[in-house]
Amino acid sequence: ETTLTQSPAFMSATPGDKVNISCKASQDIDDDMNWYQQKPGEAAIFIIQEATTLVPGIPPRFSGSGYGTDFTLTINNIESEDAAYYFCLQHDNFPPTFGGGTKVEIK
Amino acid sequence: QVQLVESGGGVVQPGGSLRLSCAASGFTFSSYGMHWVRQAPGKGLEWVAFIRYDGSNKYYADSVKGRFTISRDNSKNTLYLQMNSLRAEDTAVYYCAKDLRRSITWVDYWGQGTLVTVSS
Repeated sequence: ETTLTQSPAFMSATPGDKVNISCKASQDIDDDMNWYQQKPGEAAIFIIQEATTLVPGIPPRFSGSGYGTDFTLTINNIESEDAAYYFCLQHDNFPPTFGGGTKVEIK
Repeated sequence: QVQLVESGGGVVQPGGSLRLSCAASGFTFSSYGMHWVRQAPGKGLEWVAFIRYDGSNKYYADSVKGRFTISRDNSKNTLYLQMNSLRAEDTAVYYCAKDLRRSITWVDYWGQGTLVTVSS
């Protein structure tokens, strides 16, 4: 089973900041990494697939990078509406596993 | 638009049973695989189970194998999770989620979740 170590667990940002969230896999998972955003009381939404591909409809300030074991979700010029819980998912091998999540607060 | 609405959560005693339901709409339910995923309080997400679009194959996490059963009724656009022999560590928000394809690939849509509390 692949363990995903996500960091930081919590971060506080100011509107306009660039934010990076890391997800490290315990073994090589190629580019089989997705990212999701969840706001309180709402269903999570799919934002990045296959490590780097922005899901249609997601603002271009979101981007993903990485391959193998190290992955990053970047939010450029963060906005107040981006306050949410973000988590990563690997689908390279069974069972699918998740990172521990990152809560992003906007000051 | 895709909607997944879970129901059936609640408080149950250790050793008890509960059945969760997930009503799906906004897509052709019978054409997609479906997952259950859970999140215990203060913890990360844990994948629980998957069922193929036609119910022909089912997969489970080791932590629930033999106790939980995933099923679906394509005529009712509904996914189920029968949970037996519940333990305190099963306490979590349970999410219904749609797969991108018929077989297991990854989640593209999520429900809002239903809370299951196992406590005496």
